[in-house]
Amino acid sequence: EAQVTQNPRYLITVTGKKLTVTCSQNMNHEYMSWYRQDPGLGLRQIYYSMNVEVTDKGDVPEGYKVSRKEKRNFPLILESPSPNQTSLYFCASSLLPGAGEQFFGPGTRLTVL
Amino acid sequence: DQQVKQNSPSLSVQEGRISILNCDYTNSMFDYFLWYKKYPAEGPTFLISISSIKDKNEDGRFTVFLNKSAKHLSLHIVPSQPGDSAVYFCATASSGGSYIPTFGRGTSLIVHP
Repeated sequence: EAQVTQNPRYLITVTGKKLTVTCSQNMNHEYMSWYRQDPGLGLRQIYYSMNVEVTDKGDVPEGYKVSRKEKRNFPLILESPSPNQTSLYFCASSLLPGAGEQFFGPGTRLTVL
Repeated sequence: DQQVKQNSPSLSVQEGRISILNCDYTNSMFDYFLWYKKYPAEGPTFLISISSIKDKNEDGRFTVFLNKSAKHLSLHIVPSQPGDSAVYFCATASSGGSYIPTFGRGTSLIVHP
């Protein structure tokens, strides 16, 4: 089954404790991205990757890092989480960039205390 | 400033009637438009799209209309079903190389039996 998986689905952590949210897709897509969804703000792109070792900032990259060492995986790293990073996070992949249909993971709800 | 606006946060419709969800955009460089549907506790899923060379695209009960001069698109669902109750996001992109799709804030559709 074609899918995007994220782990963990739920995470409660404390300010400053480094964390990683994993994302994996099995569709051989080159393009992957991370979004955060906040009430009343819709989906905002954090980072995207065009291919292995190629990443770039989206609209709201501050406080986040990403890496793309393998085509299927695109982890999101919060080196020093802060309460304003409490949000619902989605990973997505697509065959084409920009105008391409994106396949989203189920989401990770992160709470930073 | 919002480049993509979904001015109705919510919409309530009777089963069997038409649902019309609206989206306005400001950037004339956008030439590809997508609608995503999101159920609670799930990631968004692609619903339907349209490119700027068309003014209408239909897929079963779902039709998207594009009015380029007004920078307006709408999603029509006919007939509406209770299973259509979800949040609908409008997204725009540029096929010319921008890799950052812009999402609206979403419209929550409730279809009453």
